[in-house]
Amino acid sequence: SQKIEQNSEALNIQEGKTATLTCNYTNYSPAYLQWYRQDPGRGPVFLLLIRENEKEKRKERLKVTFDTTLKQSLFHITASQPADSATYLCAPSEGAAGNKLTFGGGTRVLVKP
Amino acid sequence: SQTIHQWPATLVQPVGSPLSLECTVEGTSNPNLYWYRQAAGRGLQLLFYSVGIGQISSEVPQNLSASRPQDRQFILSSKKLLLSDSGFYLCAWRLAGSQETQYFGPGTRLLVL
Repeated sequence: SQKIEQNSEALNIQEGKTATLTCNYTNYSPAYLQWYRQDPGRGPVFLLLIRENEKEKRKERLKVTFDTTLKQSLFHITASQPADSATYLCAPSEGAAGNKLTFGGGTRVLVKP
Repeated sequence: SQTIHQWPATLVQPVGSPLSLECTVEGTSNPNLYWYRQAAGRGLQLLFYSVGIGQISSEVPQNLSASRPQDRQFILSSKKLLLSDSGFYLCAWRLAGSQETQYFGPGTRLLVL
């Protein structure tokens, strides 16, 4: 069966450091992969999308990599700030194979000042 | 611009009572619509999705049902709530035919006692 794995343990990091989150998937052949941010009591908010033919994508202090051989995506927050504290969710998608988007369990990030 | 509404924001219901949660989208036509549930401290579980009026796909067999009586209205219902139905219910939409960004509503927190 298809599985999306994110580290369920919270990631505690010092302000200014780089946070790196991992998303591993099995039994997927995603055409693209998305990352979302979720704050407590709120709905997820889209951050970045990376396609299968892209190795890396950047947006401000965020960077995403996508390795279809390893079946893995890495999400980096550089120069982290306390405001980056949230849960980050990954969602691989097989594109035309379906209309639905399935999410990993998310990794909680806590940036300490 | 597009907006998505959910109500109520919070609901406390006794076991065995019925449920109706409503989601409406403004500013777009023929969106794909989704219902997710998130148990406390857990990931998002896709419950239902719809690609058009009256078209509902169920992802998980359960005590809930969904309906789409109008193009931009999505309703989640139950005839008799169970304790296990407690959780955070999120509605989301995406452009029809698009495999990209999904936009989430503010959510409804349901507590079944």
